Amino acid sequence: TQLLEQSPQFLSIQEGENLTVYCNSSSVFSSLQWYRQEPGEGPVLLVTVVTGGEVKKLKRLTFQFGDARKDSSLHITAAQPGDTGLYLCAAFTSGTYKYIFGTGTRLKVLA
Amino acid sequence: NAGVMQNPRHLVRRRGQEARLRCSPMKGHSHVYWYRQLPEEGLKFMVYLQKENIIDESGMPKERFSAEFPKEGPSILRIQQVVRGDSAAYFCASSLVQPWRDGYTFGSGTRLTVV
Repeated sequence: TQLLEQSPQFLSIQEGENLTVYCNSSSVFSSLQWYRQEPGEGPVLLVTVVTGGEVKKLKRLTFQFGDARKDSSLHITAAQPGDTGLYLCAAFTSGTYKYIFGTGTRLKVLA
Repeated sequence: NAGVMQNPRHLVRRRGQEARLRCSPMKGHSHVYWYRQLPEEGLKFMVYLQKENIIDESGMPKERFSAEFPKEGPSILRIQQVVRGDSAAYFCASSLVQPWRDGYTFGSGTRLTVV
């Protein structure tokens, strides 16, 4: 079974702090996506990473795909209360069309 | 069509009743996916449908659950004889083609509460 494990599971930080969320697997993925989900809403796509070692920036968010395409990280600089939400990584399982989600990281940024 | 539309947003059912959840995909999209999310958890794949076909239902319980995506109209996820354990948020996503690189567009979900 291909799994995406995220860490930490919960994170509560003060506004202005930096943080990193990890998404790990023993499987190799052709691409990986990161989503943010706010309470009462569906997940919203943030970014797709495709190439091993790729780094993408989205304002204060930096996404990295591991060299072996088995893991990814999301780094937030100077977190703001608006960053609060559930962060999910997701990927297609190899050789199938089944799309799996990570276990999720619930972030709370305190003003 | 602004996006993937799900209704109702909230649904309350007594144990033993039937729940019908609807999903209208984005215009032109012929691939629909259903996911279930329990409180404080990630999303679990249930079923993948194309128009008039079930492609993969391996994530859907064999009993009481069924899904369809007819030629005309929305996709329907049907839960018969609901139990308290069915209480969850059910999300639908759609895509034009298999989105290997682009991920999915999700609806806002239906929150089912079984009392």
